[in-house]
Amino acid sequence: DIQMTQSPSSLSASVGDRVTFTCRASQTISSYLNWYQQKPGKAPKLLIYAASSLQSGVPSRFSGSGSGTDFTLTISSLQPEDFATYYCQQSYSIPSSFGQGTKLEIK
Amino acid sequence: EVQLVESGGGLVQPGGSLRLSCAASGFTFSSYWMHWVRQAPGKGLVWVSRINSDGRSTTYADSVKGRFTISRDNAKNTLYLQMNSLRVEDTAVYYCARDGATRMADAFDIWGQGTMVTVSS
Repeated sequence: DIQMTQSPSSLSASVGDRVTFTCRASQTISSYLNWYQQKPGKAPKLLIYAASSLQSGVPSRFSGSGSGTDFTLTISSLQPEDFATYYCQQSYSIPSSFGQGTKLEIK
Repeated sequence: EVQLVESGGGLVQPGGSLRLSCAASGFTFSSYWMHWVRQAPGKGLVWVSRINSDGRSTTYADSVKGRFTISRDNAKNTLYLQMNSLRVEDTAVYYCARDGATRMADAFDIWGQGTMVTVSS
């Protein structure tokens, strides 16, 4: 099974900051890497699929990059509504697996 | 509007059974693979099971294999998860999710709101 590791586990930042999250796969997953945002009490929301493709309706301040085993999600200028937990997911093979999440908090 | 709505969660004793449902609307349900994902209180997301578009192929996480059964009724636009021999560690919010297919690298593009399952004596 493929293990997904996210870093950091939590991050404090301010509105307007640029932030980057990292996700590493235990083996190569090509570009089968997706990013989700989850707010408390809500379902996850797809932000980025195939490592770098922006899901319809998602603001352009979100971007993704990477391939193989190392991936990043960047928010170019934090907005108040961006404070949430972010998960990466590999869809390269079954069982699909998620990272443990990065909680983005207001500084 | 494209939508998934789960139901069927609740409180059940260890060893008991529960069937979750996920009603789909706003898209051609029979064209999509579907998944169940769960999230224990305060924890991360864990994939549970997958079913292909015609219901003939299913896959499970090791932790639920032999106890849970995923199925679908394309005539009713509904996905199911039959959960037997429930354990305390199955306590979680259960989400159904649509597989966006190859064009989206099989990302889960639509999620339901979740239904809470609590296994406790």
